[in-house]
Amino acid sequence: AQTVTQSQPEMSVQEAETVTLSCTYDTSESDYYLFWYKQPPSRQMILVIRQEAYKQQNATENRFSVNFQKAAKSFSLKISDSQLGDAAMYFCAYTGGSNYKLTFGKGTLLTVNP
Amino acid sequence: DAGVTQSPTHLIKTRGQHVTLRCSPISGHKSVSWYQQVLGQGPQFIFQYYEKEERGRGNFPDRFSARQFPNYSSELNVNALLLGDSALYLCASSFSAVSTDTQYFGPGTRLTVL
Repeated sequence: AQTVTQSQPEMSVQEAETVTLSCTYDTSESDYYLFWYKQPPSRQMILVIRQEAYKQQNATENRFSVNFQKAAKSFSLKISDSQLGDAAMYFCAYTGGSNYKLTFGKGTLLTVNP
Repeated sequence: DAGVTQSPTHLIKTRGQHVTLRCSPISGHKSVSWYQQVLGQGPQFIFQYYEKEERGRGNFPDRFSARQFPNYSSELNVNALLLGDSALYLCASSFSAVSTDTQYFGPGTRLTVL
C-alpha cells in the first residue's frame, strides 16, 4: 500500500525567509503523481504544486518549488520569500498507477512570524 | 468559473441520526471524490464517482453511501451517526477518474455529532 509520511508536525519561518517542508512516500508504482496542498484556517484545500514522477525536472510555481528525489522517494516543498499568507497546514499527497485516490500525509503546520 | 461547492457549511446532528452532504463539481468535471478529515489528520478517501458509477471505495463502513446525479453533482449519505463521524467532509472534483487528473477541493462541510 502507498504511504505518505510528513515528519515535521510544525514548522516556523520568519517573513521573507525560506523554509523547506519534508515528505517521503512509499510506492511500488513507476508512474505516479505527487502534490502539495495548502489548507488555511478557512479549510479550503488549495493545490500548491504538482510533480509527475516521469519528469526529472523539479516543478516550480512562483515562490514554491519542489526537490523531487525519485530514488530516495523524497518530495520536499521549498517556500521562498515567505509571506504571512503562507501560514497554513501543508499536506503532501500521492496518487498513481490504477490508484485514482489521493493518499495524504498527516500534514505540517507552518507558522510565519512577522 | 465557480469552483467546487459544498452544502451545508456546518451541520450538527445527534448519534443515530442520518445526514446528507451535497457537492457540485467544477463545470466540465465528471468525477467527484469524497474525503473525511478528522481533526489533526490528513483527509481519508471515502468514495469516487465517475459518470454516475462508483469507481472506488475506501475503508469505511456500509453506513456511508454516495451517489452521483446526471448533472455530475453528488451526495454523501451517512446513516446511524456515531460520535467518531465528527469530521470535515471534503468533496473534490476532477475531469475524469484517472490519476493523471488533478483533484480540486471544495470548502468542506463540518459535521459535528453530539
